[in-house]
Amino acid sequence: AQRVTQPEKLLSVFKGAPVELKCNYSYSGSPELFWYVQYSRQRLQLLLRHISRESIKGFTADLNKGETSFHLKKPFAQEEDSAMYYCALRAGGYQKVTFGTGTKLQVIP
Amino acid sequence: SAVISQKPSRDICQRGTSLTIQCQVDSQVTMMFWYRQQPGQSLTLIATANQGSEATYESGFVIDKFPISRPNLTFSTLTVSNMSPEDSSIYLCSVNRGDSLANYGYTFGSGTRLTVV
Repeated sequence: AQRVTQPEKLLSVFKGAPVELKCNYSYSGSPELFWYVQYSRQRLQLLLRHISRESIKGFTADLNKGETSFHLKKPFAQEEDSAMYYCALRAGGYQKVTFGTGTKLQVIP
Repeated sequence: SAVISQKPSRDICQRGTSLTIQCQVDSQVTMMFWYRQQPGQSLTLIATANQGSEATYESGFVIDKFPISRPNLTFSTLTVSNMSPEDSSIYLCSVNRGDSLANYGYTFGSGTRLTVV
């Protein structure tokens, strides 16, 4: 069975500081990893996918199979980055997605 | 990408009653997913709804408690039956954004915040 762990419930950083939201997973096959974000009063939305190796709103995430991690990073936090972030895993070949417990990012002005 | 309309957005219900949540998608999708997000918790998949077949329920969820309908490729309902305060939660529907193998993102409805009193 797959599992996604986000060890931090809350992460507070100052504006302009680097951000790293941690995500570890357990899955025996080849996973597909995602980061989702939920801004205040908005619906949950996809931020980025490991498969596309993209940078969205300055955020990047690299899949490290050796460490089974998919940490989300941004070099300089902005106030509008304050939101709830969820790491998610899709087991290869299945549509079902497993979510982590989420990390609330609070960017302090 | 798909757009999902979910309703009601919130409701306060008496224990013992049932509530049906609707999700309408603006394009045809094979599978729709129903999630629950309890206060302070992550999203937990309740079931996967395929058009033309019975929904597939995850461990801990049963059809009698959460009956699902999927009459066509753009619509689904989830009913929370015989509600108790423990059912107070946010319920979300979700679909895959695209059919392309390169596009694995999922789109979510705005959620239904249910409070059972």
